Amino acid sequence: NAGVTQTPKFQVLKTGQSMTLQCAQDMNHNSMYWYRQDPGMGLRLIYYSASEGTTDKGEVPNGYNVSRLNKREFSLRLESAAPSQTSVYFCASGKLAGEAGEQFFGPGTRLTVL
Amino acid sequence: QQQVKQSPQSLIVQKGGISIINCAYENTAFDYFPWYQQFPGKGPALLIAIRPDVSEKKEGRFTISFNKSAKQFSLHIMDSQPGDSATYFCAAIRNNDMRFGAGTRLTVKP
Repeated sequence: NAGVTQTPKFQVLKTGQSMTLQCAQDMNHNSMYWYRQDPGMGLRLIYYSASEGTTDKGEVPNGYNVSRLNKREFSLRLESAAPSQTSVYFCASGKLAGEAGEQFFGPGTRLTVL
Repeated sequence: QQQVKQSPQSLIVQKGGISIINCAYENTAFDYFPWYQQFPGKGPALLIAIRPDVSEKKEGRFTISFNKSAKQFSLHIMDSQPGDSATYFCAAIRNNDMRFGAGTRLTVKP
């Protein structure tokens, strides 16, 4: 039982390049989330998917797109990376009913945009 | 504009002491208040959580106190241990939208 897995762990991009961050969970959770973590700002929600086939914007969605590929997988795409997107990105999954705040986080992807 | 304000930014406590971290929120629509613990290089992990209809919740050495009228809640870590040294985040959630505080870096000195 791996929980939430993320690939890659590290990535360096040049301004304007694109990339996709992958996330998968094996806990049969309905909801999945993408956050970014910046020093002094905590974690901020980028996008979430409450169930397979649905996605919604979070607090900071600009410059990102997401795809809920199936119940297990939720990807985050940067179409044209900018230095302001240098951050640590976390994927999380959670139960939709019951304890709504119980989200399980992956180990993170550290992204640097030059 | 941060919807959840957390203080202090950093905290140093002696082993065996009490660590106290405070948070305040603005949006009364929030309906669940979790605390997350994060070790360096790892993702956050749920520590303890509370609903607004409860004033206190205790799990082992960790206690959440919640003041709905003041829109404030706090985490108390009793008998703090060096292994508790980590960054702690409070959060507030409504539906699937979770807003985090900026975090508190706790150091417990042996």
